[in-house]
Amino acid sequence: DIQMTQSPSSLSASVGDRVTITCRASQSIGNSLNWYQQKPGKVPKLLISAASSLQSGVPSRFSGSGSGTDFSLTISSLQPEDFATYYCQQSYSSPTFGQGTKVEIK
Amino acid sequence: EVQLVESGGGLVQPGGSLRLSCAASGFTVSTNYMSWVRQAPGKGLEWVSALYSGGTTYYADSVKGRFTISGDNSKNTLYLQMNSLRAEDTAVYYCARQVGAPTNFEYWGQGTLVTVSS
Repeated sequence: DIQMTQSPSSLSASVGDRVTITCRASQSIGNSLNWYQQKPGKVPKLLISAASSLQSGVPSRFSGSGSGTDFSLTISSLQPEDFATYYCQQSYSSPTFGQGTKVEIK
Repeated sequence: EVQLVESGGGLVQPGGSLRLSCAASGFTVSTNYMSWVRQAPGKGLEWVSALYSGGTTYYADSVKGRFTISGDNSKNTLYLQMNSLRAEDTAVYYCARQVGAPTNFEYWGQGTLVTVSS
């Protein structure tokens, strides 16, 4: 199985900050990497697919980059509604998720 | 409009069985890639099983031999038969439709809670 490792596990940032979450795969997965946002008590929401394709309706402050084994999700200017947990997920083989990154607003 | 509605969750004793259902609308289950993903209380997301168009099935090692995924074309419904349940299977179970190439989980149901406890 391909292991996905996210860092950090949690972070606290202020409104307006630029936030970056990284995700590392245990082997090369090309661009088969998706990012999800999950708010407490809610269903996960797809933000970015194929490493860098922003889903329709997702604010442009979210962006994704990377290929191979190293990927990142960036929020260019953190907003209060971005308080959530973010997960990466590889679809190169049987799906696996990262452990999640909890973003808290300072 | 794509909709996924899970049902069948509940409280079951260790060693027991449960069958989850996921009724789909707005698309045809049999021609799509479908998965079950679970989330234990306060924990992260874990892929459980997939049923791909053509009937190929896949399972996470943690459930292989105990869980069976299947679909009913006449009801446009996805199922997860769960046997020999363990406390560590306690979770919210989501069904999800995979789309795209490479695939992603774009559509999710609202989830159904399975609690394994005596």
